[in-house]
Amino acid sequence: AQSVTQLDSHVSVSEGTPVLLRCNYSSSYSPSLFWYVQHPNKGLQLLLKYTSAATLVKGINGFEAEFKKSETSFHLTKPSAHMSDAAEYFCVVTLSGNTGKLIFGQGTTLQVKP
Amino acid sequence: GAGVSQSPSNKVTEKGKDVELRCDPISGHTALYWYRQSLGQGLEFLIYFQGNSAPDKSGLPSDRFSAERTGGSVSTLTIQRTQQEDSAVYLCASSPQGTNEKLFFGSGTQLSVL
Repeated sequence: AQSVTQLDSHVSVSEGTPVLLRCNYSSSYSPSLFWYVQHPNKGLQLLLKYTSAATLVKGINGFEAEFKKSETSFHLTKPSAHMSDAAEYFCVVTLSGNTGKLIFGQGTTLQVKP
Repeated sequence: GAGVSQSPSNKVTEKGKDVELRCDPISGHTALYWYRQSLGQGLEFLIYFQGNSAPDKSGLPSDRFSAERTGGSVSTLTIQRTQQEDSAVYLCASSPQGTNEKLFFGSGTQLSVL
């Protein structure tokens, strides 16, 4: 069975400093992995996705994530945080090429301090 | 409209009553999901419809929960004999085909069981 673990429930950074949101997955098959963002009082939005192509995936708003099979990780990073990045971030896993369900992590709240 | 539409946006009900939540996916999208998001929690998978295939109901928490999708379009999530622990935001999402594609989320239905 596949599952996903977000290692930090809350991350706080200063504006202009790097962001690292950690995600580990467990899957018996080659997974597809996603990061979604949920801003306060707004719907969920896809940031980026990995589907067995390049291991370094670039998304919107300057975010990127690297798929590391040996570490079963898919951490989300951004070189320089902006105040508008404050939101809830979800790591998501599903089986590659399968039309099965997407499993969401518990979420990481990103706080950006001025 | 162009997006996923959910109704009602808010529903307050008394314990023991039945409720129906509606989801209108984006036209032409064959995949439809229901998730539940409790306060401060991640998204809990409930049920997944994909085309004419039998739905994946593995996330439904009890037999009080059921869902149907008529004509491959509109979906209704029904909760019978509601309990206070059913209080949550119920999110619907659709995608063009399967789970390797971007999910488009509705704004959700905030259900409060008194």
